[in-house]
Amino acid sequence: EVQLVESGGTLVQPGGSLRLSCAASGFNFRSYAMSWVRQAPGKGLEWVSDISGSGGGTSYADSVKGRFTISRDNSKNTVFLQMNSLSAEDTAVYYCVKVSGFTVTTYFDYWGQGTLVTVSS
Amino acid sequence: QSALTQPASVSGSPGQSITISCTGTSNDVGGYNYVSWYQHHPGKAPKLMIYDVSNRPSGVSNRFSGSKSGNTASLTVSGLQTEDEADYYCSSYTSSSAPVFGGGTRLTVL
Repeated sequence: EVQLVESGGTLVQPGGSLRLSCAASGFNFRSYAMSWVRQAPGKGLEWVSDISGSGGGTSYADSVKGRFTISRDNSKNTVFLQMNSLSAEDTAVYYCVKVSGFTVTTYFDYWGQGTLVTVSS
Repeated sequence: QSALTQPASVSGSPGQSITISCTGTSNDVGGYNYVSWYQHHPGKAPKLMIYDVSNRPSGVSNRFSGSKSGNTASLTVSGLQTEDEADYYCSSYTSSSAPVFGGGTRLTVL
């Protein structure tokens, strides 16, 4: 059974930093790309970033480019999202998502329960 | 990349059928057969319902079906049941290789 368990969400001040983690199990982790998708309060889903199975390829939404960094540790089946220069607009539930393929994100086949990030003073 | 366009809400009675549309451009929905649909009950993890326009993952009811014509994809739910009440999102691969979601549709089962 595929399981994705996010952690690290909390209340952080504007301008602050936060690192989210996602522990994966139940599949051959290094063979699949991983993504982060977020949902702001009362809003829809927004793709944030993804990383290829090897970790050698990454991509970001324009709204987070230059501030967020995605990475993965295939020896620990874990994907990370380092978030810097946070603003209120980054307040959201962040979902860790398994991608269907190794590199190209054509669809998301498994989702975690999400972790809440609140940016407020 | 602009979000795909979905109706904010649709509704139907138990046993009826409804269709949710998802409109994009030739750079996303119209250009690739990589449209997917997700069911999201608030507070829970979203669930993949349809991938590659019309394919159902194992375990998803055959009451859910997908199709595409031009720049518009559609999700049809037949034989509506109360547990189908949820938010539904479409998503598409795009020419920039970044996926894009629709704004979401709230399905109400009356």
